[in-house]
Amino acid sequence: DAEITQSPRHKITETGRQVTLACHQTWNHNNMFWYRQDLGHGLRLIHYSYGVHDTNKGEVSDGYSVSRSNTEDLPLTLESAASSQTSVYFCASSPSGRTYEQYFGPGTRLTVT
Amino acid sequence: SQQGEEDPQALSIQEGENATMNCSYKTSINNLQWYRQNSGRGLVHLILIRSNEREKHSGRLRVTLDTSKKSSSLLITASRAADTASYFCATGSVASGGYNKLIFGAGTRLAVHP
Repeated sequence: DAEITQSPRHKITETGRQVTLACHQTWNHNNMFWYRQDLGHGLRLIHYSYGVHDTNKGEVSDGYSVSRSNTEDLPLTLESAASSQTSVYFCASSPSGRTYEQYFGPGTRLTVT
Repeated sequence: SQQGEEDPQALSIQEGENATMNCSYKTSINNLQWYRQNSGRGLVHLILIRSNEREKHSGRLRVTLDTSKKSSSLLITASRAADTASYFCATGSVASGGYNKLIFGAGTRLAVHP
């Protein structure tokens, strides 16, 4: 069955380190999204991509980057981790066209100490 | 910034009762969606309603949309303990940067007690 996976599921890192969170989907969806979820804020969009080599900034993109070299993967990199980036990160994908529902991964809990 | 705002923030009911959650948004939309999130899990899509629709049903779920009031409601009938979760509305619009790019509200935490 098609799915969307994230790894690692839990990560503890130190301030200033570079961290990469993986997202892999087998739906063959063109659209992929990264969100962070913090208590009281719902989900906030970090970066998104509408296809290979396409990337766009979301509302909370500072300190994060993404690259899209194939359809299946959209890794999220924290260039220099900060304590403010402690959060739960969700990856999602959706098909092109007029079906707008998104399919979410299980999430990665990141703690920056 | 959040487009959708859910009300109430938390709701506690008994099994068998109906649960109603509301969502208000600020700009014109193309579609509005509701998602469920069980504790420690990712979000799961429940239902989508387009701006030219007023009501949709899916099993025990009923969603209404009032574009004049910029609001939507999600009704879960005959609730079960398994419905305990957080529920989020999300909107797609030109203002959000495209119909595929959703803006989520902060969610309603629903607790259904046996």
